[in-house]
Order: sequence, then structure tokens, then C-alpha cells
Amino acid sequence: KQEVTQIPAALSVPEGENLVLNCSFTDSAIYNLQWFRQDPGKGLTSLLLIQSSQREQTSGRLNASLDKSSGRSTLYIAASQPGDSATYLCAVRPSSGQNFVFGPGTRLSVLP
Amino acid sequence: GAVVSQHPSRVICKSGTSVKIECRSLDFQATTMFWYRQFPKQSLMLMATSNEGSKATYEQGVEKDKFLINHASLTLSTLTVTSAHPEDSSFYICSASQLKQGNEAFFGQGTRLTVV
Repeated sequence: KQEVTQIPAALSVPEGENLVLNCSFTDSAIYNLQWFRQDPGKGLTSLLLIQSSQREQTSGRLNASLDKSSGRSTLYIAASQPGDSATYLCAVRPSSGQNFVFGPGTRLSVLP
Repeated sequence: GAVVSQHPSRVICKSGTSVKIECRSLDFQATTMFWYRQFPKQSLMLMATSNEGSKATYEQGVEKDKFLINHASLTLSTLTVTSAHPEDSSFYICSASQLKQGNEAFFGQGTRLTVV
């Protein structure tokens, strides 16, 4: 059974710092992996999608990498801003038609 | 990206009544939609998988007679919480995948249900 973990559970950094969020999954046989952002009381916003054949994806200040063989993904946020404060969720899709398995999330606070 | 609209965003109902939540994919066809429940400060828990034109597949421990799911078209799925009780109060989120663009998942904005 696929399990997804995220480290750290919470993170507080001053504005401007570069930071890395970690995601681990137990079964390397995945279809894709997606990073989401969730603001309090809101739905999920898709940040980056990485297919199983890809190594990384970039969007603006965000870069996500995938090492399928070791069961790891990282989300790199450059030059963090207070507006980046949110919970970041990593989710793995085992196969094309299946639902995601979510990690517990990392709560990020970027202090002005 | 594609848009998934969920309605209502907030609802308060009395115990014993039923509440319907709608999930629409606005600019793409979604053969499969997923319904999740989220407790405070916890991650998403899958409740059921909704396939267009067929019965939903429920996760273990989820009462299908209490949480009725209908996926009548390729752009609409509904979740009805029947005979709601205070313990059903939660945040419910739907998602739909677009088969193009690598099967990326898009989520609705969620529905905060409070049963009083």
C-alpha cells in the first residue's frame, strides 16, 4: 500500500530565504506526482505536476524534482515571500485511473 | 489550468436534513471525479471515486447510504449528505482529472459543512 510522508511538518522562515520541502513515498511504481498548495479553509491549488518519466518541473520560483527509484520528491521555493505561507501537499497517483495518495502536508510560514 | 467549481462553499444545516454539494468541471470533461473529506489540520481522506454513468466506488468505512454520489454527466458530480449529524461537519473537496496534459488533477474550492 502506497504511503506518503512529508518533512518537515511545519516550517517558519524569514522572508527571502530559499527553502526545500520534502516528500517521500514507499512504492516507486507511480504514474505521476503533484504538488499542491492549500490556504486555510480553501481548496487545493495545483502547483506542479511531474510525470513518472520526468526528473523535474519548474514554474516561476518553484522547482520540483522527482527521484522515483528512491521514492523522493522535493519542492524548492526560491526567495520566499509572506504570500507563500500556506500548507503544501504532495500527492502520488499510483496509476492513470486511480486517485491520489496524499501526504500530511507541510505548513509553511514566511515571516515579513 | 482547468477549472473545477464546487458549490456551495459554505453551508449550515440542521441535524436530520440532507445537503447536496455540486462539483463541476467547467472547461473539460471528467470521466472520473473524486470526493475527499478533510478534518482540521489533517490531510485529505478519499471518500469515493465517482465514474460517469456508473455507481461510485466507496472507500472502506464510508457509508454509501449516507453519502450519496451521483455522476450523471461528464461535467457534474454531486455528493449528498443524507440525514446529517453534527459529526458530519467537515470540509468536503472534489477533484477531477483531465486526461490530456498528463492527467493533472484539479480541485474544487471545497465546501465547509456545519451541522447544528
